[in-house]
Amino acid sequence: DAGVIQSPRHEVTEMGQEVTLRCKPISGHDYLFWYRQTMMRGLELLIYFNNNVPIDDSGMPEDRFSAKMPNASFSTLKIQPSEPRDSAVYFCASSSSVRAYEKLFFGSGTQLSVL
Amino acid sequence: GNSVTQMEGPVTLSEEAFLTINCTYTATGYPSLFWYVQYPGEGLQLLLKATKADDKGSNKGFEATYRKETTSFHLEKGSVQVSDSAVYFCALLAGETSGSRLTFGEGTQLTVNP
Repeated sequence: DAGVIQSPRHEVTEMGQEVTLRCKPISGHDYLFWYRQTMMRGLELLIYFNNNVPIDDSGMPEDRFSAKMPNASFSTLKIQPSEPRDSAVYFCASSSSVRAYEKLFFGSGTQLSVL
Repeated sequence: GNSVTQMEGPVTLSEEAFLTINCTYTATGYPSLFWYVQYPGEGLQLLLKATKADDKGSNKGFEATYRKETTSFHLEKGSVQVSDSAVYFCALLAGETSGSRLTFGEGTQLTVNP
């Protein structure tokens, strides 16, 4: 299995632009998570899905952030408009339905820089 | 609420040195405890876990024992290698439902020099 695949690996954009991050989870995994990692706040859970349905989005910072999972093999995290404080590494992770949090498989992350 | 506190880094060691990274937690009930490792340029990977008091998790020469009396889960390795250079995250999971969420510590950067 190829693991969790994220794209792009690096994204540099200007303030105000729309940014879309993509994730392909491991085939057969029922849970998909989006995390954000910064020096100041560490690793934060933004949102997670179960069977393509958003379950908990309480970690999403504000209305500028939105996430979708149109099917079991694809999810997007969109920021519109982007701001410099959104600069971070964004990780996608997936897990099987058995005790979902006990073993997360993370992608390599998207390094986002908003200038 | 739940929280995890790790020793501050960065930690720099010579190859074959003994490693300890401290982790203490605050949680309601009886959490499961984890160590995740993040190698440069990669996502986090589960290193080891322990689900009840006095359990010892082990993997790749790393060990951690769930100490309820001291609310700790310190990571140890007897002889580190250059390839162990990474960021290590302690985490806890409180609650049995899938709606529970992992709480991560701040991470500790380890650098092992040859």
